[in-house]
Amino acid sequence: GAVVSQHPSWVICKSGTSVKIECRSLDFQATTMFWYRQFPKQSLMLMATSNEGSKATYEQGVEKDKFLINHASLTLSTLTVTSAHPEDSSFYICSAETGYSNQPQHFGDGTRLSIL
Amino acid sequence: SQKIEQNSEALNIQEGKTATLTCNYTNYSPAYLQWYRQDPGRGPVFLLLIRENEKEKRKERLKVTFDTTLKQSLFHITASQPADSATYLCALEGSGNTGKLIFGQGTTLQVKP
Repeated sequence: GAVVSQHPSWVICKSGTSVKIECRSLDFQATTMFWYRQFPKQSLMLMATSNEGSKATYEQGVEKDKFLINHASLTLSTLTVTSAHPEDSSFYICSAETGYSNQPQHFGDGTRLSIL
Repeated sequence: SQKIEQNSEALNIQEGKTATLTCNYTNYSPAYLQWYRQDPGRGPVFLLLIRENEKEKRKERLKVTFDTTLKQSLFHITASQPADSATYLCALEGSGNTGKLIFGQGTTLQVKP
């Protein structure tokens, strides 16, 4: 149980393109989803917290107009990297939790984004 | 500020030995701590969660301790196998009961046959 599916697993696109990444909880309802970014040999850095039906909460230094997050249902959150540039190239990972306290987060397998 | 430190140097051990990984934290009093495994190019996979009132937790060959006085958690893998080779991340609950996790930088374990 507690499977999170992330799509696509990798994407290569030209600078200036907008890229949408989907995160789905397959067998549970996720009241909260989280979006992380991970650079090579570094840890996961939280970008934003996404609650179903409300606006995402962004971490300090993360541009909300650059990284658009939509959490329209209890099983789907999307991250759109708008007008992507090479410095946005990274490994983006989502996670979801059930909303019960002291429970682990369940992670997707990440999206490798490469901007040329 | 809240800080989590894991040994950034890779840990190399022989198959069959016990691997011990360390997670230290400062300026922090988390209600729980979690350990995750991450393989290259994959998302983290949850292993164990230990609460502040628990000293030790076990799951098969894994054991986690949580010392809130030392502000330290130790993660042990007994009878290690080459398949245990991965990066192991510790994560602490962020302040404010928001469910946010703060991750350490991870320790890469290499188990040699």
